[in-house]
Amino acid sequence: DSGVTQTPKHLITATGQRVTLRCSPRSGDLSVYWYQQSLDQGLQFLIQYYNGEERAKGNILERFSAQQFPDLHSELNLSSLELGDSALYFCASSVDMGLNQPQHFGDGTRLSIL
Amino acid sequence: AQTVTQSQPEMSVQEAETVTLSCTYDTSESNYYLFWYKQPPSRQMILVIRQEAYKQQNATENRFSVNFQKAAKSFSLKISDSQLGDTAMYFCAFMKGQGGSEKLVFGKGTKLTVNP
Repeated sequence: DSGVTQTPKHLITATGQRVTLRCSPRSGDLSVYWYQQSLDQGLQFLIQYYNGEERAKGNILERFSAQQFPDLHSELNLSSLELGDSALYFCASSVDMGLNQPQHFGDGTRLSIL
Repeated sequence: AQTVTQSQPEMSVQEAETVTLSCTYDTSESNYYLFWYKQPPSRQMILVIRQEAYKQQNATENRFSVNFQKAAKSFSLKISDSQLGDTAMYFCAFMKGQGGSEKLVFGKGTKLTVNP
């Protein structure tokens, strides 16, 4: 158990819809990362938050947005969903922005778009 | 931009034998970190081992060790005494050092099957 909690584990929805994925980092971790794992693109970094502030952005679509709340949990919002958004979405957390801090991953949310 | 290449999409090994997974990367950075993550069928992402680029000594974690060749930009993973539980996807990952985002850049992965 990594200590990172993601909900829900599975999500099935239709094109055009909007969903919210939730992540609770390990106790004491201030940094949260979101990654997308798909068959064609592999594992890709989407966005990072540190202590409530956006820290870095990767290949995140404009239809996607995220935030980190004062209690440090994070949400990834996906809107106007397309078939290609079907993927496994991981959240990871680390202690802070310090170097050599391993990222601990949650079990992921499997998103299926019908 | 950094890239990570894993040239072996699939590998297999007999239980108790040794296997080496290859990883090469491309970067102009001098300070960075390298990782191997394991993803079993349960789909969890589990950190296996990590290496700081400024350290010449190769990292080891029990049956797992790396061969880090900085000049060649190579970072291979050796698994000794392979066990059935080692069956998984293995991802090599790169992270920039000081001043960079702490995001991980992953390779495409190597599917390892350990046969009884």
